[in-house]
Amino acid sequence: KAGVTQTPRYLIKTRGQQVTLSCSPISGHRSVSWYQQTPGQGLQFLFEYFSETQRNKGNFPGRFSGRQFSNSRSEMNVSTLELGDSALYLCASSRGLHEQFFGPGTRLTVL
Amino acid sequence: TQLLEQSPQFLSIQEGENLTVYCNSSSVFSSLQWYRQEPGEGPVLLVTVVTGGEVKKLKRLTFQFGDARKDSSLHITAAQPGDTGLYLCAGAMEETSGSRLTFGEGTQLTVNP
Repeated sequence: KAGVTQTPRYLIKTRGQQVTLSCSPISGHRSVSWYQQTPGQGLQFLFEYFSETQRNKGNFPGRFSGRQFSNSRSEMNVSTLELGDSALYLCASSRGLHEQFFGPGTRLTVL
Repeated sequence: TQLLEQSPQFLSIQEGENLTVYCNSSSVFSSLQWYRQEPGEGPVLLVTVVTGGEVKKLKRLTFQFGDARKDSSLHITAAQPGDTGLYLCAGAMEETSGSRLTFGEGTQLTVNP
């Protein structure tokens, strides 16, 4: 069974731009969660989608948004990028329980 | 305030030594997971524990969930250089629905040959 895939793997953007990251979950998994990982803050929960509905949301500003499609694929968008948004963005999928499986991440660098 | 306190933050040992990593909280977790992460990659799930007092073994790794489901430990016996990596504990808080996980800060383990 294929694992979680994320595209792109690397991105370089400048301040003020917006970015969209994509995640394809493991087949049969309906829950997709997004996390931000930085050296100073570790892994921080962004949001979770289940059956196209946002089920949980972390403490991030409204510039961070996401959505899920009927095939469970998910995208997250960050608008008006700031230098502090530079991070590894991780997507995780699960069947809906707590056991989550992570993708390789998207490394975002904001210049 | 970190909900999951993980210690130690850094650990450098020689091949063959034993080690224990701790994960503590004042909150009750319905389940707790341990992950291992390599640089530039996503965390890889090692184990999930759900029952208070549960002990699981994965080759040289032993995982324990506290009786009150507020803490956990990872013990590695006879560490090898291949065990080098970032070890993360992550818990699903009992009052939270869905798949939201709270992560510890991680333990960076280096095993020297």
